Amino acid sequence: DVKVTQSSRYLVKRTGEKVFLECVQDMDHENMFWYRQDPGLGLRLIYFSYDVKMKEKGDIPEGYSVSREKKERFSLILESASTNQTSMYLCASSLRGALGGYTFGSGTRLTVV
Amino acid sequence: AQSVSQHNHHVILSEAASLELGCNYSYGGTVNLFWYVQYPGQHLQLLLKYFSGDPLVKGIKGFEAEFIKSKFSFNLRKPSVQWSDTAEYFCAVNGKDTDKLIFGTGTRLQVFP
Repeated sequence: DVKVTQSSRYLVKRTGEKVFLECVQDMDHENMFWYRQDPGLGLRLIYFSYDVKMKEKGDIPEGYSVSREKKERFSLILESASTNQTSMYLCASSLRGALGGYTFGSGTRLTVV
Repeated sequence: AQSVSQHNHHVILSEAASLELGCNYSYGGTVNLFWYVQYPGQHLQLLLKYFSGDPLVKGIKGFEAEFIKSKFSFNLRKPSVQWSDTAEYFCAVNGKDTDKLIFGTGTRLQVFP
């Protein structure tokens, strides 16, 4: 069964900490995505990567950075966590062209205190 | 601006009732359209997709959607819902020139026995 695996299901961090969210896919997909999901706001794209070391800003990149050193792994970094970054973070991957849609991970619920 | 609107935020139905969830999009150019479902505590799963051809698309679990180009709509339907259809439903769109999906804010469906 193909998978997108997010390293943590729940995470609690303190304000100002540097936070790493990890995502690994085993489908040899070119594209990987980070979204955040908030009630009433749906899914909003943070960053997108279409190849190793390549990235594109999404709609809400402020306060975040990403790293893609290997094709299967896409990391989201919160440089200095703030309480307004408390959210559910979803990783997804797709083939180039996205014709098959995205495959999503189970999500990481991050709470910043 | 590119966007997806889901006007029904919360829908409550009894089992065996018919379902129609609205989705309208704003996007210049040719689009691909998707419906995703998120069951409680689970990851988002692809329900159905439209790329081209027959505007009536059939998906999993008895769901279907109709693309009406003139109305910029892609409404989701099911003739008879079950309690197990209780979930959040997201409509999404991307242009043929990009792999990035734009999601709507979601519709929460509750089905009572």
